[in-house]
Amino acid sequence: GQSLEQPSEVTAVEGAIVQINCTYQTSGFYGLSWYQQHDGGAPTFLSYNGLDGLEETGRFSSFLSRSDSYGYLLLQELQMKDSASYFCAVNRDNQGGKLIFGQGTELSVKP
Amino acid sequence: KAGVTQTPRYLIKTRGQQVTLSCSPISGHRSVSWYQQTPGQGLQFLFEYFSETQRNKGNFPGRFSGRQFSNSRSEMNVSTLELGDSALYLCASSLGGLAGRTDTQYFGPGTRLTVL
Repeated sequence: GQSLEQPSEVTAVEGAIVQINCTYQTSGFYGLSWYQQHDGGAPTFLSYNGLDGLEETGRFSSFLSRSDSYGYLLLQELQMKDSASYFCAVNRDNQGGKLIFGQGTELSVKP
Repeated sequence: KAGVTQTPRYLIKTRGQQVTLSCSPISGHRSVSWYQQTPGQGLQFLFEYFSETQRNKGNFPGRFSGRQFSNSRSEMNVSTLELGDSALYLCASSLGGLAGRTDTQYFGPGTRLTVL
């Protein structure tokens, strides 16, 4: 079967740094994506890792280790608006149209 | 550039009925994927259409079907509705090329389906 494990909840304060981990077990792996979803909103793309290492996009960075079947999303300089659910998602092959999602991590940013 | 649009936004049906949901992708996108989101199961892949052909299919019963038109607009249909079909149905569009940063999926706002 396919499984992606990520923490269900994380709480942090404004200005802090938070790391959301994702471990995966899938039949086939091509890349790992991260999506953000605010309550009642659509998931929006944050980052993608196809190769091992760190990808940085502004305050957000994402890391992948294929050998460990592990990745993480790092959010820096947290803001209240970062309170949302964060999903890791696996592309099992090179066709981008089908993502296998984790259950999501609800991030609460406190003042 | 206009985003992905889905209609209707909310829908209430009763068990046994059927429903059709519509998705209009971003202009130029040829791939449309459908996902079901529920609190218990999370986001689950239903199927993907590319150039009017179903390219990938998730693990859902045959009551769930879809199609794509020549203008890339897509519809999904659920027949013989069950209570468990109550969910947020999301569609996502992409260029349809190789997976990666350059072919990310853009999600629509979803259709909230309630089955009574």
